[in-house]
Amino acid sequence: QQQVKQSPQSLIVQKGGISIINCAYENTAFDYFPWYQQFPGKGPALLIAIRPDVSEKKEGRFTISFNKSAKQFSLHIMDSQPGDSATYFCALSGGGSQGNLIFGKGTKLSVKP
Amino acid sequence: NAGVTQTPKFRILKIGQSMTLQCAQDMNHNYMYWYRQDPGMGLKLIYYSVGAGITDKGEVPNGYNVSRSTTEDFPLRLELAAPSQTSVYFCASSYGALGSPLHFGNGTRLTVT
Repeated sequence: QQQVKQSPQSLIVQKGGISIINCAYENTAFDYFPWYQQFPGKGPALLIAIRPDVSEKKEGRFTISFNKSAKQFSLHIMDSQPGDSATYFCALSGGGSQGNLIFGKGTKLSVKP
Repeated sequence: NAGVTQTPKFRILKIGQSMTLQCAQDMNHNYMYWYRQDPGMGLKLIYYSVGAGITDKGEVPNGYNVSRSTTEDFPLRLELAAPSQTSVYFCASSYGALGSPLHFGNGTRLTVT
């Protein structure tokens, strides 16, 4: 049973454009929603995270939008740059996961110059 | 500041062989994790530990064993390697559980033939 569904699988965006990656979940007990960024040959690294008591969190060009009623959250990358080309994973924890993170399948983002 | 160090970076095993993937962290983190990453499948939790002497199974523990004799080290043992264990393995650590960022190593790419 897939507890978090991430889309799209891959995304190509022109430099300066907006990249949007979506995740949906079913268990309302989850209460921590991070996004991780992974460059080739490296381990994932925390990019930004949100808790369900806020609907949006912004850090620089990266924004998480959270819709608790729809059980969806998304990552927006404004003014996308070639250096943003990486694989992005949404994740969630809380509820029955014993605090452990459950990861989405990932989105490979390519930003074309 | 090394963070999380994984060795080896690459390894090729024959079916039925055994090996230990090493993981060490120098951040004095209590929590440590082993994930495997398969193309298009995200990261799956194999085992985790909340402190020295305490380990527990994750989502995909079959075919693996772990031990945690010190805070710093969390080795992953593969017994009787199978082709299904071909994957990239990531070790991670965190200060706490829910809400604490995971710090990942750069992975071990294992091929079983």
